Amino acid sequence: EAQVTQNPRYLITVTGKKLTVTCSQNMNHEYMSWYRQDPGLGLRQIYYSMNVEVTDKGDVPEGYKVSRKEKRNFPLILESPSPNQTSLYFCASSFSGGRYEQYFGPGTRLTVT
Amino acid sequence: QQQVKQSPQSLIVQKGGIPIINCAYENTAFDYFPWYQQFPGKGPALLIAIRPDVSEKKEGRFTISFNKSAKQFSLHIMDSQPGDSATYFCAAIKAAGNKLTFGGGTRVLVKP
Repeated sequence: EAQVTQNPRYLITVTGKKLTVTCSQNMNHEYMSWYRQDPGLGLRQIYYSMNVEVTDKGDVPEGYKVSRKEKRNFPLILESPSPNQTSLYFCASSFSGGRYEQYFGPGTRLTVT
Repeated sequence: QQQVKQSPQSLIVQKGGIPIINCAYENTAFDYFPWYQQFPGKGPALLIAIRPDVSEKKEGRFTISFNKSAKQFSLHIMDSQPGDSATYFCAAIKAAGNKLTFGGGTRVLVKP
């Protein structure tokens, strides 16, 4: 089954404790992206990757890191989480030529206390 | 500053009614306008999309209307069903662009 998977689905952590949210896709997509969803703000892009070893900032990159060492994986790293990073996070992927049609993972709900 | 503004934030209709969601954009470089549908506990999924050189597009019970001069577009859900209850997001992307710019979302509830 073609899909984007994220782990964990739910995470409660404390301020300053480093965490990683994993994302993997099995559709051989070149493009991958991370979004955060907050009420009334829609989805805002954090980082994106055009291909392996090619990453760039989105609209809200502060406090986040990413890496793209393999085509299928695109982990999101929070080195020192803060309460304002409490949010619902989505990973998405697409072919390079069809970035309007992105396939989203199921989401990771993160709470930072 | 939201480049794509979406309204209303929420909408309640009876079964068979026609919920209408409106979006407005500022950047004329946007070249493609998709709509995404999100059910509770799931990620958004592409529903329907339109280019600015087309004034209307229908797919099943979903219709997009596009007004290029006004920089506005809208989604109509014809003969709405309780199964259409979801959050809907409009979005925009530039030609060869690297990101989707989303509106704030509209939560639609269709009552039986």
